[in-house]
Amino acid sequence: GAGVSQSPSNKVTEKGKDVELRCDPISGHTALYWYRQSLGQGLEFLIYFQGNSAPDKSGLPSDRFSAERTGGSVSTLTIQRTQQEDSAVYLCASSGDRGNTEAFFGQGTRLTVV
Amino acid sequence: AQSVTQPDIHITVSEGASLELRCNYSYGATPYLFWYVQSPGQGLQLLLKYFSGDTLVQGIKGFEAEFKRSQSSFNLRKPSVHWSDAAEYFCAVGPLTGNNRKLIWGLGTSLAVNP
Repeated sequence: GAGVSQSPSNKVTEKGKDVELRCDPISGHTALYWYRQSLGQGLEFLIYFQGNSAPDKSGLPSDRFSAERTGGSVSTLTIQRTQQEDSAVYLCASSGDRGNTEAFFGQGTRLTVV
Repeated sequence: AQSVTQPDIHITVSEGASLELRCNYSYGATPYLFWYVQSPGQGLQLLLKYFSGDTLVQGIKGFEAEFKRSQSSFNLRKPSVHWSDAAEYFCAVGPLTGNNRKLIWGLGTSLAVNP
């Protein structure tokens, strides 16, 4: 696609429910990132996919968080048994695999856990 | 350890005044450097990037940044700030080469512009 697409744009869920957030990267981009941004805060790295390499999961805050990337394209971030502290904007970005390329961001999914 | 420091959490300037946002980095190799802007309620947009060549790079919206290797800095500047520049600014570094393209981000600087 023309840009990074994230869905849904907003999600309200009850505490304890599972949620899935979707990211469609720019076609052909091999790198894909998930970040979390709480209100007024910076970017918190969650996970990074690069081609066929094992993903860098070092930023996932707990085992309730997981992500996969199918076919090297679409990625899904899953949060199980959501907690109120999971409320944030979840940002996805993608970049190409050549030098001098930047990350392109989606508009994010605003998750509210009530 | 690799890190990016943006020393100023919040800056307020008057419209028309000059602006400099600081970014210092610690990185094991020659980095690829970026500045992004996030306007209220918006996604992140690339302002400019540096990977080689002239150490003074021009970006969108009248911004520029200067790479100073000796100081490990990549400060963002604008000669005359407009009210629409009020936003959050993020500095990031990444590898020039290799398969791992993971970016390291600063915590951001929030810019307020007084009329």
